[in-house]
Amino acid sequence: DTEVTQTPKHLVMGMTNKKSLKCEQHMGHRAMYWYKQKAKKPPELMFVYSYEKLSINESVPSRFSPECPNSSLLNLHLHALQPEDSALYLCASSHPGLAGAGTQYFGPGTRLLVL
Amino acid sequence: GESVGLHLPTLSVQEGDNSIINCAYSNSASDYFIWYKQESGKGPQFIIDIRSNMDKRQGQRVTVLLNKTVKHLSLQIAATQPGDSAVYFCAENIDSGGGADGLTFGKGTHLIIQP
Repeated sequence: DTEVTQTPKHLVMGMTNKKSLKCEQHMGHRAMYWYKQKAKKPPELMFVYSYEKLSINESVPSRFSPECPNSSLLNLHLHALQPEDSALYLCASSHPGLAGAGTQYFGPGTRLLVL
Repeated sequence: GESVGLHLPTLSVQEGDNSIINCAYSNSASDYFIWYKQESGKGPQFIIDIRSNMDKRQGQRVTVLLNKTVKHLSLQIAATQPGDSAVYFCAENIDSGGGADGLTFGKGTHLIIQP
């Protein structure tokens, strides 16, 4: 089973709203990732969690707040977003620590629209 | 700028023909490369990967070639089928020794299958 699930599939929010994106995997992976993908562009790395600790933050604005409650779950809390934050938000997971790198498996994404 | 890129944004091939999608990378420290397929409305799907100590790797109907001398990566799809229509991304990873590193994606090639 190489499934990563994400909820919700679609989200529309206003600039003053607070919402959260959720990601779950049951592959025993101990690394989880958030990527942002704009239309017709490649995914761009936002955050990396390794063993439930934030290891990489790609200079993401503080209106995006990641959280890793346990080894299977990854959240992305959203607050005071801007219309330009509208995008597909992808979650991925992998085994960290393999020689080189472990394959990252992606979820279907949450399509976010900020009005 | 991006360290991984592609030569063509769109590739159109006849059903049954072989497809070759190319990717150039600029970071000689990259040691792990992956090809992903992304269909409309879905997350990237792992196709095949290759580590820098290899030149070629074969999967089912797909082959990845790595030329480290010229920093070039290619994906060959044999006997292309309508279900192969998608955007294909190459991605690279640099093993920082930390165990979990994000991926840097190329721009993507949209593969169109003509009947």
